[in-house]
Amino acid sequence: DAEITQSPRHKITETGRQVTLACHQTWNHNNMFWYRQDLGHGLRLIHYSYGVQDTNKGEVSDGYSVSRSNTEDLPLTLESAASSQTSVYFCASSDGGTGNTEAFFGQGTRLTVV
Amino acid sequence: KNQVEQSPQSLIILEGKNCTLQCNYTVSPFSNLRWYKQDTGRGPVSLTIMTFSENTKSNGRYTATLDADTKQSSLHITASQLSDSASYICVVSEIPTSGTYKYIFGTGTRLKVLA
Repeated sequence: DAEITQSPRHKITETGRQVTLACHQTWNHNNMFWYRQDLGHGLRLIHYSYGVQDTNKGEVSDGYSVSRSNTEDLPLTLESAASSQTSVYFCASSDGGTGNTEAFFGQGTRLTVV
Repeated sequence: KNQVEQSPQSLIILEGKNCTLQCNYTVSPFSNLRWYKQDTGRGPVSLTIMTFSENTKSNGRYTATLDADTKQSSLHITASQLSDSASYICVVSEIPTSGTYKYIFGTGTRLKVLA
């Protein structure tokens, strides 16, 4: 069965370190998204991609970067981790461009920056 | 600013009872409205997707309604089960003036079903 997986599930890192969170999907979807989820906030979009070599900034992109070298993967990199980036991160994928297609989410990565 | 607001923030009900969760939004124009279920420690899972022209959509014991005129949606859960304990998130897709469709997430309603 097709799926979307994130790794690691949990990560503790120190302030200032570079961290990369992995997202891999086997749906063959063109669209991939990264969100963060914090108490008191809905999921907020960090970065998204509509296909290979395409990346775009979301509403909370400062301090994060992504790259899309193939259809299956969209790794999220924190250039220099900050305590404000402690959060749960979700990757999602969807097919098509109408906005009416279903999005599938990964299990999430809980990141703690100390 | 386009917003999605959900109520109540949390809800406790007894197993077997029905409940209704509310979602009010100011997103305009919008393409569709989705309800997701998120179990603790898991990613959101889609329950229903309704376009602006649909009034109701069911998925088993879950029934979503949409009133595009008043910009309100509700999710009704019938004969609740312990496994319904989760957060329920309302998401509205904004039709873009350019570029991508933007999904605006509510903060969710945390439902607890007690035996």
